[in-house]
Amino acid sequence: AQSVTQPDIHITVSEGASLELRCNYSYGATPYLFWYVQSPGQGLQLLLKYFSGDTLVQGIKGFEAEFKRSQSSFNLRKPSVHWSDAAEYFCAVGARDQVFNKFYFGSGTKLNVKP
Amino acid sequence: DTEVTQTPKHLVMGMTNKKSLKCEQHMGHRAMYWYKQKAKKPPELMFVYSYEKLSINESVPSRFSPECPNSSLLNLHLHALQPEDSALYLCASSQEGGGKTEAFFGQGTRLTVV
Repeated sequence: AQSVTQPDIHITVSEGASLELRCNYSYGATPYLFWYVQSPGQGLQLLLKYFSGDTLVQGIKGFEAEFKRSQSSFNLRKPSVHWSDAAEYFCAVGARDQVFNKFYFGSGTKLNVKP
Repeated sequence: DTEVTQTPKHLVMGMTNKKSLKCEQHMGHRAMYWYKQKAKKPPELMFVYSYEKLSINESVPSRFSPECPNSSLLNLHLHALQPEDSALYLCASSQEGGGKTEAFFGQGTRLTVV
């Protein structure tokens, strides 16, 4: 069965500091992996995605993520956090059906940014 | 156009009311989804439509009734809801075929049942 684990419920970093959000997945085949960001009361915005190929993927807003098959991980990173990055971050796996993907989400990590 | 549009943005309804949530996309996606998100929780899948046919119902109570009138529109009809149904309801769409595609989400409808 597919599942996504985000071990950190809350993370606080200082503005300008680096950031890493952890994500571990369980999926029987090669996974399609995603990171989404959600501001309070808003929908989900796609930050980046991994389907295949290069294991380091670049996304919007200066984010990147690295797929590590041996560790079943897809951690999100940013070298220098901005106050506007404060939000909830969800890792997701796309479980492939014949005609559509089912998207399963981790429980989320809430990022606080200190001035 | 990579937008999924949901209306209304906010909805307050009584437990005896009937209301509908609407979702529209013009990306040519043939898979559309309803998710429910409670506060401080991840989105939970409710329904999936593929080619305008209901493909998945994740054991959702019958007081929630989805409808897909055409390939661009997805509705969620609400009737006799309970206060615990208050949540953010998110619509999403994706390409069909189970391929390398992401889900595009709308901004959601914040539903309050009183």
